[in-house]
Amino acid sequence: NAGVMQNPRHLVRRRGQEARLRCSPVKGHSHVYWYRQLPEEGLKFMVYLQKENIIDESGMPKERFSAEFPKEGPSILRIQQVVRGDSAAYFCASSPLRLSGHREKLFFGSGTQLSVL
Amino acid sequence: AQKITQTQPGMFVQEKEAVTLDCTYDTSDQSYGLFWYKQPSSGEMIFLIYQGSYDEQNATEGRYSLNFQKARKSANLVISASQLGDSAMYFCAMREGTTGNQFYFGTGTSLTVIP
Repeated sequence: NAGVMQNPRHLVRRRGQEARLRCSPVKGHSHVYWYRQLPEEGLKFMVYLQKENIIDESGMPKERFSAEFPKEGPSILRIQQVVRGDSAAYFCASSPLRLSGHREKLFFGSGTQLSVL
Repeated sequence: AQKITQTQPGMFVQEKEAVTLDCTYDTSDQSYGLFWYKQPSSGEMIFLIYQGSYDEQNATEGRYSLNFQKARKSANLVISASQLGDSAMYFCAMREGTTGNQFYFGTGTSLTVIP
């Protein structure tokens, strides 16, 4: 593990509640990516953030989902009014710099498993 | 069209034998990178190996090697001398161009090593 910390590891919410997923990137990394993994599927890109900026949110659902990466503290993926279809594993990844060449790899956390009852 | 296709949902291999996990990709970019990640039952994504589109030699990292066939757009992972600890999900991924933010992942192959 390259040091990306995600918490909680497991999160259970009832329909209509809010889910907050936290991600602390590798120390010194200022770029964070969120991916979602549905059962039996690969990871799907959601959003890419730098400190205090959303760079690419083309994979984020238009409603109920938001992400931030404040100057201080972890990145937060927030899901409002969760529905059963939000149940998935949510992975955070980080990189030290903007991916300026296709060689740079992402360092992943262990994921947060969200279960919506 | 799928960017990354992994056609083997599950594979079995005898301990100490070699195994090949298939991956084909689809891109019109000339410059791209191909990656393999391992996901054990604990859930984390572990980087294994990288191949660049302009790399002339196949990448190798210890027991892992990447059989890169550019004309066929395939990037198969070869694991030699399989170990019980190799049992996991394996994901092939691609990043296009030099500024793309997205990694595209396949659906994965579940590898089970049999003692």
